[in-house]
Amino acid sequence: EIVLTQSPATLSLSPGERATLSCRASQSVSNYLAWYQQKPGQAPRLLIYDASNRATGIPARFSGSGSGTDFTLTISSLEPEDFAVYYCQQRSNWPPTYTFGQGTKLEIK
Amino acid sequence: QVQLVQSGAEVKKPGASVRVSCKASGYTFTGYYMHWVRQAPGQGLKWMGWINPNSGGTNYAQNFQGRVTMTRDTSISTAYMELSRLRSDDTAVYYCARGTSGSGWPDYWGQGTLVTVSS
Repeated sequence: EIVLTQSPATLSLSPGERATLSCRASQSVSNYLAWYQQKPGQAPRLLIYDASNRATGIPARFSGSGSGTDFTLTISSLEPEDFAVYYCQQRSNWPPTYTFGQGTKLEIK
Repeated sequence: QVQLVQSGAEVKKPGASVRVSCKASGYTFTGYYMHWVRQAPGQGLKWMGWINPNSGGTNYAQNFQGRVTMTRDTSISTAYMELSRLRSDDTAVYYCARGTSGSGWPDYWGQGTLVTVSS
């Protein structure tokens, strides 16, 4: 089973700052990686799919990059509503099997 | 608009089974996989598996094989997830989520169903 490791576990930043979140896979997942945002009491929201494609309605300040084993979610300038927990997820080829990373909590400094 | 509406909260005893439903609307139910994901209190997300509503084919995460069964009723656009032999550590919010066309990423999510396992 492919393991995803996210870092850091917690990231403390201020509104307006740039956030960089990392996700590392235990073996190559090609570009089969997605990012989700989850706020307390809410279901997750898909932000980025296939490593670098923004999902419908996601603001341009969110971007994803990487391939193989190392991936990054970047939030260019943090808005107050961006403080949440972020998860990465990978998909294996066939049959499609998915696993999540353990999450990064983005908190207000 | 795409909507996934799940059944209400459940309280079960250890060893029992639970079935959670997920009613889809706003899209062609048989055209998209349906995922199930759970989240224990204060913990991260755990993918449980998917069902292809068109064929009924399933793929379960290794951790749940033998205890989980995913089914669907296409006549009412509803997917089901049944978990058997419940333990206290199965206490969690269970989500259904539609998979995108292409890579199948969960894009639209249900509101979640809290299942509490307690004696």
